[in-house]
Amino acid sequence: AQTVTQSQPEMSVQEAETVTLSCTYDTSENNYYLFWYKQPPSRQMILVIRQEAYKQQNATENRFSVNFQKAAKSFSLKISDSQLGDTAMYFCAFMKPHSGYALNFGKGTSLLVTP
Amino acid sequence: DGGITQSPKYLFRKEGQNVTLSCEQNLNHDAMYWYRQDPGQGLRLIYYSQIVNDFQKGDIAEGYSVSREKKESFPLTVTSAQKNPTAFYLCASSGKSHTGELFFGEGSRLTVL
Repeated sequence: AQTVTQSQPEMSVQEAETVTLSCTYDTSENNYYLFWYKQPPSRQMILVIRQEAYKQQNATENRFSVNFQKAAKSFSLKISDSQLGDTAMYFCAFMKPHSGYALNFGKGTSLLVTP
Repeated sequence: DGGITQSPKYLFRKEGQNVTLSCEQNLNHDAMYWYRQDPGQGLRLIYYSQIVNDFQKGDIAEGYSVSREKKESFPLTVTSAQKNPTAFYLCASSGKSHTGELFFGEGSRLTVL
């Protein structure tokens, strides 16, 4: 079974600073997808960024980028120029191949952006 | 607008009663999913369905049941056999591209008294 571990239950960053959220996963698969989802206080889940395992280039979406280390099974999220609206729970997720394409989520990191 | 609608948003029930949570999507997605969210536990998969009239158990299916009679609908029943049903429930769907992006509803908060 694939497991996703987020070792930082809570983090805090000041506005305009950069923060990195950690995620590691365990799998024997070679092809898979990795995701970061954001859940703000409204509890609506929003996709932040997606990484395909066969692509070596790290994914980037505006202020959000990942550091994907396939051999180390590590998938960290970097948020640059943090904004107050980035305050949310962040979940790392792994797509289970051969299981209906369901996502396997980590326990989440609560990020607080302070003025 | 296209999206996923979950209802009700909040639900209170007495212990021992079955409860059905509704999930409807107009995205024309084939696959639908139910997740349970508890504080500090992340999201855990209850059931999923890739096609009408077919569904599979997820990691925590005990005490839950689902049906998929229509492509648009994937209701979840929380039965009296579920030992700790108080939680936040999220429904999601995904399209044929299978790139893994799930589209989520706004969730249903179930409290069993």
